[in-house]
Amino acid sequence: KAGVTQTPRYLIKTRGQQVTLSCSPISGHRSVSWYQQTPGQGLQFLFEYFSETQRNKGNFPGRFSGRQFSNSRSEMNVSTLELGDSALYLCASSPQGTRGYTFGSGTRLTVV
Amino acid sequence: LAKTTQPISMDSYEGQEVNITCSHNNIATNDYITWYQQFPSQGPRFIIQGYKTKVTNEVASLFIPADRKSSTLSLPRVSLSDTAVYYCLVGDDAAGNKLTFGGGTRVLVKP
Repeated sequence: KAGVTQTPRYLIKTRGQQVTLSCSPISGHRSVSWYQQTPGQGLQFLFEYFSETQRNKGNFPGRFSGRQFSNSRSEMNVSTLELGDSALYLCASSPQGTRGYTFGSGTRLTVV
Repeated sequence: LAKTTQPISMDSYEGQEVNITCSHNNIATNDYITWYQQFPSQGPRFIIQGYKTKVTNEVASLFIPADRKSSTLSLPRVSLSDTAVYYCLVGDDAAGNKLTFGGGTRVLVKP
């Protein structure tokens, strides 16, 4: 079956702009979560959505937001981009109540 | 989530067994131990998960002592393609996906 699909794979934005990243989970998976990975901070949890509701949130500023649609697809938005937002953004999905999450290949965001 | 400590890096050779130990002294009763593998520019891939004793699947084994304060991931007969970063996570992720990743162990398999 198809895995977790993230689009786009690569993105270059200018400081101050905003960006929207998309994640399509595995069919039937209702939980979608987002992570940021940088060389300095490693993998950090951003937020999780379950049935269109944010269920968990990490320690990121309000510039980072997300949403989940009725078909479980999710988007995350970063406003007023800063150079430090350059990172690999990863999405993971899972069915409700199971352990072991499936990650996508990520979106590489570069802010210049 | 319980904090984990694992070696920063390990070197091995093709065909050898690689054992990575993870310490998690303050693991909670409901916590499971999960290992992920990550290749550059890819998302982490679930390897194995366990609660106690030993768990084995087609790619790895996970050994957990009775006190559960540590665990060891065993990769049998590694190949060059096993070169990756391996993360040990501890938590009850059935309560929602909010995984806390540590620094991971960078495993380099040499020919």
